[in-house]
Amino acid sequence: EIVLTQSPGTLSLSPGEGATLSCRASQSVRGNYLAWYQQKPGQAPRLLFYAASSRAPGIPDRFSGGGSGTDFTLTINRLEPEDFAVYYCHMYGDSPYTFGQGTKLEMK
Amino acid sequence: QVQLQESGPGLVKPSGTLSLTCVVTGGPISDPNWWSWVRQPPGKGLEWIGEIYHSGNTNYSPSLKSRVTLSVDTSKNHFSLNMNSVTAADTAVYYCVKVNTRGYYDFWGQGTLVTVSS
Repeated sequence: EIVLTQSPGTLSLSPGEGATLSCRASQSVRGNYLAWYQQKPGQAPRLLFYAASSRAPGIPDRFSGGGSGTDFTLTINRLEPEDFAVYYCHMYGDSPYTFGQGTKLEMK
Repeated sequence: QVQLQESGPGLVKPSGTLSLTCVVTGGPISDPNWWSWVRQPPGKGLEWIGEIYHSGNTNYSPSLKSRVTLSVDTSKNHFSLNMNSVTAADTAVYYCVKVNTRGYYDFWGQGTLVTVSS
């Protein structure tokens, strides 16, 4: 089973600042089959990126995804108030599929 | 656009069976997609439970495999989750999810909270 470790656990930033979230896999993710989701309180997760860097429909271009192998990043430029949420990475290349423990992006 | 809606009892007794159904609208469940269940204990992260294809093929999380059964009913356009021998640790919001043909989760149900308590 591939374990995904996200860092930091919590990130405190102000609107307008930039954020970089990390997701590290315990072994190489086949095909870079790595997705990112955003989750707000009381809501289901929302797909942001798949295949590490392919943006899902409707996701603003201030969000970008990158990385390969075992190291992946989600970058958010010029944070907007609606970006403050919990972000999860997800490995879907090989079963059992796994999620990272999440990074909480909170407003400073 | 595909929509998913979970339904089932919100309260299950310890040692009992948790049963949930996910109704799919906006497209046939027989499309070439897998359909999955994911859960989230209160205040915690996401956990993959398993997935099912319209043919009935399944794939389960090793940690839950002994207690979980997934099924699909193409005539009703829904799929179901049964989990037996539940404990308080199974208390969570349960989500049903459409798996894109490329493997990622593109559509999620709103989730339903199931509490295991006597």
